[in-house]
Amino acid sequence: DAKTTQPPSMDCAEGRAANLPCNHSTISGNEYVYWYRQIHSQGPQYIIHGLKNNETNEMASLIITEDRKSSTLILPHATLRDTAVYYCIVSPYMNSGGYQKVTFGTGTKLQVIP
Amino acid sequence: DGGITQSPKYLFRKEGQNVTLSCEQNLNHDAMYWYRQDPGQGLRLIYYSQIVNDFQKGDIAEGYSVSREKKESFPLTVTSAQKNPTAFYLCASRSSGLSPEQYFGPGTRLTVT
Repeated sequence: DAKTTQPPSMDCAEGRAANLPCNHSTISGNEYVYWYRQIHSQGPQYIIHGLKNNETNEMASLIITEDRKSSTLILPHATLRDTAVYYCIVSPYMNSGGYQKVTFGTGTKLQVIP
Repeated sequence: DGGITQSPKYLFRKEGQNVTLSCEQNLNHDAMYWYRQDPGQGLRLIYYSQIVNDFQKGDIAEGYSVSREKKESFPLTVTSAQKNPTAFYLCASRSSGLSPEQYFGPGTRLTVT
């Protein structure tokens, strides 16, 4: 699986957009980009995933560069409840019957400041 | 509500004792996983199971054992052979359909002294 590189920590003012970068320069053609987050002492929560097109859901937007070597997770209006560790992961998309090995690195600790 | 439950939230054991962590899901998911997380670290895969009565070792299986007798349940036993058992243990499940995301339980924090 491709490795990812994320900054260890970031701050964001409450109400502003939080832009979390991720580098995955060795990503291969069949690998998707996934984002999870983990609020302190809880289990990780899936946020969004994408292959090459930008994606948006009710939680966030995912922007993937054209060469797919990096991506940015955008939380459009950060709240204090968004304070968490955010993990960027690349992994093949496994359909029925396949095992999806997901490797969680150390992620980015996002602190939303009042 | 559908989800994954892990119990207990906190568990304390003496060194040399085996301990079993519970993981139950009512999401009708086929695949289930156990991860270990140490302070300030990411998650490391211990065991995974894609179907009932089948499971595979992950990256750090030594000192752990699992069973998958029912689709809903995937208990993890931390044996006395595990050298550093104190950690935060997370269970997850995933549908075998097209949905790629894993759903995680709230975790069990195990302390062995």
